[in-house]
Amino acid sequence: ETGVTQSPTHLIKTRGQQVTLRCSSQSGHNTVSWYQQALGQGPQFIFQYYREEENGRGNFPPRFSGLQFPNYSSELNVNALELDDSALYLCASSSGQVINEQYFGPGTRLTVT
Amino acid sequence: RKEVEQDPGPFNVPEGATVAFNCTYSNSASQSFFWYRQDCRKEPKLLMSVYSSGNEDGRFTAQLNRASQYISLLIRDSKLSDSATYLCVVNNQAGTALIFGKGTTLSVSS
Repeated sequence: ETGVTQSPTHLIKTRGQQVTLRCSSQSGHNTVSWYQQALGQGPQFIFQYYREEENGRGNFPPRFSGLQFPNYSSELNVNALELDDSALYLCASSSGQVINEQYFGPGTRLTVT
Repeated sequence: RKEVEQDPGPFNVPEGATVAFNCTYSNSASQSFFWYRQDCRKEPKLLMSVYSSGNEDGRFTAQLNRASQYISLLIRDSKLSDSATYLCVVNNQAGTALIFGKGTTLSVSS
């Protein structure tokens, strides 16, 4: 096991609602990245947090936002949910700003109806 | 052109077969390369990093050709437990994110 945990494991929301997903990184890791994986696709990079600052962002709209806390755990917030936001949301933990290897948590499966 | 492109698959092979996956990437500035394995409805797990000199881990061999921007994974003596989706991964130019291919599904049958 990687030591990366995520909660909740599953979530069902209605279009227009807001959601918060949580991630605890592996001990000793100060970088958390979030990815969205739609069915049949590879994970897509949302953003990365390093020492509580956003350190890179993929092609996702501003309604996707995040936080990293002093203990390096992290939250992903999505506002105004759309049907296409239904996906597996993966948190990955690593050390340092430049990624060498990342270790993924089990993910949160979000369904938007 | 997609940043990381993989063989479309799926690959259906018998136990004991040798199977090769190919991958190309578009950003010549990428510095880190990986193969991840993903089981159905699970998270991706690092299978191996890929180095310019090529590297081997048991039945798995990975190769990188920077000039052609090409990465490969060879699996020898396939086992039933190798059935999974294999994701080709490179890092972005800034080194702050992993860019994944769509994945190639392997099904090994007895």
